[in-house]
Amino acid sequence: QVQVVQSGTEVKKPGSSVQVSCKASGGTFSNHAISWVRQAPGQGPEWMGGVIPVFGTLNYAQKFQGRVTITTDESTSTVYMELSSLRSEDTAVYYCARHGGNYYFHGMDVWGQGTTVTVSS
Amino acid sequence: QSALTQPASVSGSPGQSITISCTGTTNDVGSYNHVSWYQQHPGKAPKVMIFEVSNRPSGVSNRFSGSKSGNTASLTISGLQAEDGADYYCSSYTNTSTLWVFGGGTQLTVL
Repeated sequence: QVQVVQSGTEVKKPGSSVQVSCKASGGTFSNHAISWVRQAPGQGPEWMGGVIPVFGTLNYAQKFQGRVTITTDESTSTVYMELSSLRSEDTAVYYCARHGGNYYFHGMDVWGQGTTVTVSS
Repeated sequence: QSALTQPASVSGSPGQSITISCTGTTNDVGSYNHVSWYQQHPGKAPKVMIFEVSNRPSGVSNRFSGSKSGNTASLTISGLQAEDGADYYCSSYTNTSTLWVFGGGTQLTVL
């Protein structure tokens, strides 16, 4: 049973960047789409973008275009999400989630434990 | 403001049934059967309870069921148990650049 393990808590200054990693444990991501979803305190989740490793496809929500970059390292089954020009509104828990197949329309069935990112001066 | 509209809270007594609605548009819920429901306990990651409108992953109780009519999806939990108390979020695939949208969440209280 694959698990998704994310990197640890981050505290960042406004204007800086943060990179969060997401690694498959007990399996690979190769035949699955992977999405990044964030959840601000007391809010519903928000889809940020995703990657389909087998096709090399990258997709970003318009809201985050130009600020978010998703990359992959297939040799280690790790996906990275970098968010730049951080502001206080980016304070949230960031989740990596695996889709049930190699297209985004498959629902997200396995979620990482979440990475808390706090942006504060 | 979330793209999908859910009631902020619902409650029920043990053994009762409750239904949570999720209203979207023709860009999402109304056009696709790619609707999922997630359960989230405080400080935990979301857990999928229903996918493709009405399918349950293995290991999820058959007390959980989903349906859809037009632009509105619904999650029904029957035979409420104390451990069902949590936040529930609906999600739908969309035809916009934001490929998945979520509801604002419904807090379920088991009385």
